[in-house]
Amino acid sequence: GAVVSQHPSWVICKSGTSVKIECRSLDFQATTMFWYRQFPKKSLMLMATSNEGSKATYEQGVEKDKFLINHASLTLSTLTVTSAHPEDSSFYICSARWGRGWQETQYFGPGTRLLVL
Amino acid sequence: QKEVEQNSGPLSVPEGAIASLNCTYSDRGSQSFFWYRQYSGKSPELIMFIYSNGDKEDGRFTAQLNKASQYVSLLIRDSQPSDSATYLCAVTASGGSYIPTFGRGTSLIVHP
Repeated sequence: GAVVSQHPSWVICKSGTSVKIECRSLDFQATTMFWYRQFPKKSLMLMATSNEGSKATYEQGVEKDKFLINHASLTLSTLTVTSAHPEDSSFYICSARWGRGWQETQYFGPGTRLLVL
Repeated sequence: QKEVEQNSGPLSVPEGAIASLNCTYSDRGSQSFFWYRQYSGKSPELIMFIYSNGDKEDGRFTAQLNKASQYVSLLIRDSQPSDSATYLCAVTASGGSYIPTFGRGTSLIVHP
């Protein structure tokens, strides 16, 4: 299957700092990537859809200025959590879409665990 | 609102038994159906996808799709303790965006 990587896998930061998370499709090009967050024992929550060369589409309730998404190339999307606060601590997971049309399949990265102190 | 429903469980089965996981969806126009496995603390991993009515087998896993009844199931034969995880059902509806909707997942526990 398709391989998606994320970096870093773990990050601890102080409140008020910004954190950048990278998501890369390693062996395929992904025009669309997705960003999710997941709290412990909770379901996946889609934050935004990242499209190469255009602005991301955010889900309702997700602050665009808080969670900056840049999809600069067909293999890289980044999520920047700006001015992070303890309530932003979560498991952030990206996925990349592989295939065409309704037969497209999502492959997930390993996730980034963010802890804001 | 497109919905994907799963029983949260936990579903507990003995080692060697068949585990049956079910998922129902609300959008009759849905076209693609996926099962993901998520171990605690890890990201989801794709197990199977199915597009057509009927059964699709891959090793110990069988996905079953019934579009008329709007459900998709996953059978795990000869369940092993290593199968203990949360299983997520995802459905991609019609409409062009092809963004899948995930269910909340079913927790499976396979006990020795």
